[in-house]
Amino acid sequence: KAGVTQTPRYLIKTRGQQVTLSCSPISGHRSVSWYQQTPGQGLQFLFEYFSETQRNKGNFPGRFSGRQFSNSRSEMNVSTLELGDSALYLCASSPGRYDDEQYFGPGTRLTVT
Amino acid sequence: KQEVTQIPAALSVPEGENLVLNCSFTDSAIYNLQWFRQDPGKGLTSLLLIQSSQREQTSGRLNASLDKSSGRSTLYIAASQPGDSATYLCAVKAGYALNFGKGTSLLVTP
Repeated sequence: KAGVTQTPRYLIKTRGQQVTLSCSPISGHRSVSWYQQTPGQGLQFLFEYFSETQRNKGNFPGRFSGRQFSNSRSEMNVSTLELGDSALYLCASSPGRYDDEQYFGPGTRLTVT
Repeated sequence: KQEVTQIPAALSVPEGENLVLNCSFTDSAIYNLQWFRQDPGKGLTSLLLIQSSQREQTSGRLNASLDKSSGRSTLYIAASQPGDSATYLCAVKAGYALNFGKGTSLLVTP
């Protein structure tokens, strides 16, 4: 089975711009979660989608949003980028139960200048 | 709020040593605990998953234990190799999200 894929792998954006990141889960997985990883804060939960519905949301500003499509692929969008948004963005997929094992993708490295 | 702590933050050992990484968490009401490995600039690789009803899991040279009542987990790595050099992350699932520790950075020297 193919693993979780994320595109693009690297992005450089300017402050104030917006960006869209994509995540394709493992085939058959219906849950996709997004995490932000920074050296200072570590890994922090952004949101989780299940069957095209946002099931849970972390403590991030409204500039961070996401969606999930009928094929379980997910996108996250960050508007009005700030320097502090520079991070590794990771997505994870699972079948959908809360006690399922989480499988992570390689991440998208976003640099905001 | 669930807090996850990993000790030590960094560890350097010679090849062949057995080693133990520690993880503690503050709320014992968890679904499961997962250990991950992360190579520099890369994503997370799942190593072991321990459900809340389990005490330990093994995979090859890795063994992870879980003591939910005391809020502790250990990852035991036998006969360490240079290829084991990476950051090891512990994460607990207490609700809808994984709560991560800050990781232990492991260096195994030849």
